[in-house]
Amino acid sequence: EAGVAQSPRYKIIEKRQSVAFWCNPISGHATLYWYQQILGQGPKLLIQFQNNGVVDDSQLPKDRFSAERLKGVDSTLKIQPAKLEDSAVYLCASSQGQFFNSPLHFGNGTRLTVT
Amino acid sequence: KQEVTQIPAALSVPEGENLVLNCSFTDSAIYNLQWFRQDPGKGLTSLLLIQSSQREQTSGRLNASLDKSSGRSTLYIAASQPGDSATYLCAVLHTGGFKTIFGAGTRLFVKA
Repeated sequence: EAGVAQSPRYKIIEKRQSVAFWCNPISGHATLYWYQQILGQGPKLLIQFQNNGVVDDSQLPKDRFSAERLKGVDSTLKIQPAKLEDSAVYLCASSQGQFFNSPLHFGNGTRLTVT
Repeated sequence: KQEVTQIPAALSVPEGENLVLNCSFTDSAIYNLQWFRQDPGKGLTSLLLIQSSQREQTSGRLNASLDKSSGRSTLYIAASQPGDSATYLCAVLHTGGFKTIFGAGTRLFVKA
């Protein structure tokens, strides 16, 4: 099966600019996650979708971050305006659903550098 | 609040050695625990998933154990190889909000 696809792989922007990331999960996976991973740390959940509904966005900085999952498949994560502390790797993951034996499958991530 | 800790943060071993990576979590209210591997510049690859009712899972040279009551898990790697060099992360699926929470990882280097 094809894995989780993310683009772009790398992005460099100046602070206060905007940026968008795209994710295509594994076919048939109902749950989609966006994680932020700062160098040397474990991934931190930003937002979790079940089909096209939001399950958890408690750690999403909603004043600057937004995410959508149209038609319950692809998803985009946007940052506007970016800050220096947003420099991180943004990982998308998917799973078959909210099942106890359903592992997470990750994409290769987008490395964002804000200057 | 669920917190996940991994010790040590980094580990260097000679090839062929058996090794143990540790993971601890503060709240035993979990559905499962997963171990992942992350290579530089890559995403995470799921290695093993242990459901809360299970004690261990095995895959090839890897064996993961879970002691939910004490909030601990170990990942045992037998006969380590240079190709095992990577960062290993554990994550728990917390019952509070059905959220997966990660540790910071253990960076493993296996010397040839």
